[in-house]
Amino acid sequence: EIVLTQSPGTLSLSPGERAILSCRASQSFGSSFLAWYQQKKGQAPRLLIYGATNRATGIPDRFSGSVSGTEFSLTISQLEPEDFAVYYCHQSGYSPITFGQGTRLEIK
Amino acid sequence: DVQLMESGGGLVQPGGSLRLSCAASGFTFSDYWMHWVRQAPGKGLVWVSRIKNDGSDTSYAGSVRGRFSISRDDAKNTLYLQMDSLRVEDTAVYYCGRGGLSGYIDHWGQGTLVTVSS
Repeated sequence: EIVLTQSPGTLSLSPGERAILSCRASQSFGSSFLAWYQQKKGQAPRLLIYGATNRATGIPDRFSGSVSGTEFSLTISQLEPEDFAVYYCHQSGYSPITFGQGTRLEIK
Repeated sequence: DVQLMESGGGLVQPGGSLRLSCAASGFTFSDYWMHWVRQAPGKGLVWVSRIKNDGSDTSYAGSVRGRFSISRDDAKNTLYLQMDSLRVEDTAVYYCGRGGLSGYIDHWGQGTLVTVSS
């Protein structure tokens, strides 16, 4: 099973700042199979990024994804108040499909 | 618009069964793989199961294999999850999701709560 380890567990920032969230995989898999989701309290998750770097439909361009080996990153260039939420990475390249444990992005 | 609507959740005793449904609309259901993902209260997302668009291939998380069964009825545009031998640790909100080309989940339902308790 591929384990995805997200860091930090909690990130405290202010609106307007830049956020960088990390997701490290326990083994290599195709970057095509890495996605990021945002989940706000009481809501279903929402797809942000697929294929490690591709923004989903309707996602603002302040969200971007990158990859270096088995290390994936989600960057939010300038935080808006609505961006404070929990973020999950997800791999579908190997069965079983797995999610990271999540990073909580909170207002400082 | 793509819509996914789960139903069938509720309170069940340990060892009991439930069948969840996910009604799909706004897209050609038979073209897409479909997934179930769950989230225990206050915890993270856990993938449960997926089914190929033609129903010919299914896969499960180890924690539910042999107890849960995923299926679909393309004539009714509906995805199912049959859950047997339920355990307290199966308590969660269960989401259905539409599968994208490389296995990501591009649309999610609002979820249905399953509570396993005596």
